[in-house]
Amino acid sequence: SQQGEEDPQALSIQEGENATMNCSYKTSINNLQWYRQNSGRGLVHLILIRSNEREKHSGRLRVTLDTSKKSSSLLITASRAADTASYFCATGGGSRLTFGEGTQLTVNP
Amino acid sequence: GAGVSQSPRYKVAKRGQDVALRCDPISGHVSLFWYQQALGQGPEFLTYFQNEAQLDKSGLPSDRFFAERPEGSVSTLKIQRTQQEDSAVYLCASRSRQGLYEQYFGPGTRLTVT
Repeated sequence: SQQGEEDPQALSIQEGENATMNCSYKTSINNLQWYRQNSGRGLVHLILIRSNEREKHSGRLRVTLDTSKKSSSLLITASRAADTASYFCATGGGSRLTFGEGTQLTVNP
Repeated sequence: GAGVSQSPRYKVAKRGQDVALRCDPISGHVSLFWYQQALGQGPEFLTYFQNEAQLDKSGLPSDRFFAERPEGSVSTLKIQRTQQEDSAVYLCASRSRQGLYEQYFGPGTRLTVT
């Protein structure tokens, strides 16, 4: 079963715009990860945020975590066509990852 | 270094056939995971190995699914008497050691049962 939900399910933007996607989860966590999946490179780890962190940056990525609301958001700034992919949040990591259903991002050139 | 590789990349099986899917993890990675991904969904956990020991197989959907990693490196996921509902992408991932959370995924095997 899926850990939670991501919204929106699909997002279409123009190159250069920012993209924000959200993830909600159900159980308490130690950390939350974001992964990207496209047909070219498969599923790739983007960033991990620990439960005692509220915000984390990596390049054009910014992740926030609100453990009181059991939610996280991923912001991609200055999007590029190459950012077109599905984005998944995932919790766990000890013996398994539990993924959300993903947000399909399309960046139009 | 090479990433996680999986073979075959595509497999078409007739209902009732047995299939075997192979995963070569990153060299030296202790942990290995199998996930099943249905179309339009996120991956769902199937099973987890630490070295050759299968520590968690709670995600395997039925006793038709069997996974092994006899020498703590290559792993095989076997599905017996395939059914149409087994059609999915099967993803393998590896992780270098306990205590780290990032998993490295292979390209997957797309299984279609006709």
